Amino acid sequence: DQQVKQNSPSLSVQEGRISILNCDYTNSMFDYFLWYKKYPAEGPTFLISISSIKDKNEDGRFTVFLNKSAKHLSLHIVPSQPGDSAVYFCAASRLLSGSARQLTFGSGTQLTVLP
Amino acid sequence: KAGVTQTPRYLIKTRGQQVTLSCSPISGHRSVSWYQQTPGQGLQFLFEYFSETQRNKGNFPGRFSGRQFSNSRSEMNVSTLELGDSALYLCASSRGGQRELNTGELFFGEGSRLTVL
Repeated sequence: DQQVKQNSPSLSVQEGRISILNCDYTNSMFDYFLWYKKYPAEGPTFLISISSIKDKNEDGRFTVFLNKSAKHLSLHIVPSQPGDSAVYFCAASRLLSGSARQLTFGSGTQLTVLP
Repeated sequence: KAGVTQTPRYLIKTRGQQVTLSCSPISGHRSVSWYQQTPGQGLQFLFEYFSETQRNKGNFPGRFSGRQFSNSRSEMNVSTLELGDSALYLCASSRGGQRELNTGELFFGEGSRLTVL
């Protein structure tokens, strides 16, 4: 049961254009959503997050949009740069009992930015 | 400050053997989580430890176990290795307290690449 889905395994974009990475989720208990970036031979690094009470969060070239009714979020990168080429993971967070939180990850999208 | 450190980075085992992986979290972080990454499957949650107690567990068989020490360092063990256990095992840490309640943001190590032959 994949609660977080990234249906596009790969995406290629020209340098300077917009990259849009998509993510869908099923569990209404998720209240925070995060994007991580992963380069080969490195661990994932946090990129940007959004609370379920917001519909947009922006950080420099990165913007995350949340459509709660559709259970869909997207990451926009503008303008795309070759250094953005990496695997992007969408993750959803929910509070468990006590103070424990659990992150559920999607399967990732390989973004390639072509020079 | 130093990041999350995982050892060993690479290892090769044969079926039936067991393996122990180690993780040192960021100083001051009391929560350590373990994830398995395989191609096409993303990151699958194994378990989380906080203050030496397993606080949360994913859907993995009992062959996968872990523990956390008083200095927050953690180890995970896989017994009776199977070919399907070949994966990148990632450790992540966070403070784990109230401050992290709002997002669940984790800080990952570089992973331990396990190959089972």
